[in-house]
Parts: sequence; structure tokens; C-alpha cells
Amino acid sequence: AQSVTQPDIHITVSEGASLELRCNYSYGATPYLFWYVQSPGQGLQLLLKYFSGDTLVQGIKGFEAEFKRSQSSFNLRKPSVHWSDAAEYFCAVGSNFGNEKLTFGTGTRLTIIP
Amino acid sequence: DAGVIQSPRHEVTEMGQEVTLRCKPISGHDYLFWYRQTMMRGLELLIYFNNNVPIDDSGMPEDRFSAKMPNASFSTLKIQPSEPRDSAVYFCASSFLLAGRTDTQYFGPGTRLTVL
Repeated sequence: AQSVTQPDIHITVSEGASLELRCNYSYGATPYLFWYVQSPGQGLQLLLKYFSGDTLVQGIKGFEAEFKRSQSSFNLRKPSVHWSDAAEYFCAVGSNFGNEKLTFGTGTRLTIIP
Repeated sequence: DAGVIQSPRHEVTEMGQEVTLRCKPISGHDYLFWYRQTMMRGLELLIYFNNNVPIDDSGMPEDRFSAKMPNASFSTLKIQPSEPRDSAVYFCASSFLLAGRTDTQYFGPGTRLTVL
């Protein structure tokens, strides 16, 4: 069975600083990986996804993520955060038989300080 | 497209009452998912449909929960009778086939349910 671990429950970053959110997955084959963002009181919005090909994936809002098979990781990065990036971030994994059942991590809450 | 639409956005009810949550998926999407989000358990998949047919309901917590999808543009999640522990945010999401497999799931804004 697939699983996702987001080891950081809460991260605080200064505005303008760089960001890296960690995600580790467990899956027997090549996974399909997603990062979603959830702002307070809102649904989940897709930031980026990895299916195959280039392991460095660009997403919306200036985010990127890198798939590292050897480390079973799919970390999310942003070179310079903005106050509007404060939200909860979820990593998810789907199987290569279809993404019908996504497995979500427990999320990382990002706080931005001035 | 308006995205996935859910109603109501907030629901407050008393224990024992019936609750019905509604979802309109994105037009043309083949898959519809119901999730529940709580602080304790995070985001849980309750059930999903493909072409209006329930495929996997293994996440439905109890017989008090039921879901239907009478047509491609509407689904309901019903809780009868409701209990305080059902208090959560319920999300609906939809997806479509791309190259023979499902692609990104698009989420609605959620329904925040409070059972007193």
C-alpha cells in the first residue's frame, strides 16, 4: 500500500526567505505525486504534479518540486516566499494504475513572519 | 467552468438529525470523490464514483453514511442519524480520464458540518 510522510507539522519562514517542504513516499513502483495547497476555509488547490519525465517540476505561484527516486522524496521549494503563501500544504501519491485513490500526507502548516 | 460546487458551505445540526451534503462536479469529469477532513484524522477518502457508479466505499465510516450519484452532474452524501463525531469538513472532488488514467483531482470549497 502506498503512503506519504510529511515530517514537518508546522514551519515558520520569514517573508522573502526560501522554503522547502519535505515529502517522503512509499510505493512499490513509479508513483504519481502531487502537491496541493489549502488556504484557510478553502478547498485544496493543485500546485504541481509529477507523472514522468523531468524530475524537476514547475508549478503555479512560483513553486517547484523535485522527484528523487533514490530518496523516495518529492520536496516542494520556493526561492522567496510571500505572505500570501501562508497555508497548509499537502503532498499526495497515486498509483500508476490510476489516481483514483490518492493517499494524502498529514500536511505542513506554513506561517510567514514579516 | 465554475469548478466543483458544494452546498451548503456550512451546516449546523443537532445530533440525530439527517444531513445531506451536495456536490456538482466539473462538467465532463468521469470521477467524483467524497473526502472528510478532521484535525485528528486528516484527509480521508470516503467513497468515489466512476461514471455515476460507486467504485469503492471502503472509507465510509458506518452505515449511517450513504452516498449517491443519480446523474453525471450531481451527488449527495447523507448522514442519518448524525452524531457529534461526524463534525468535520467534507470535500467533494472530481477528475477525468487522461490517456486512459485519471488525472488531477479538483476540489470543491467544502462543507463545514457541525453536529451539536
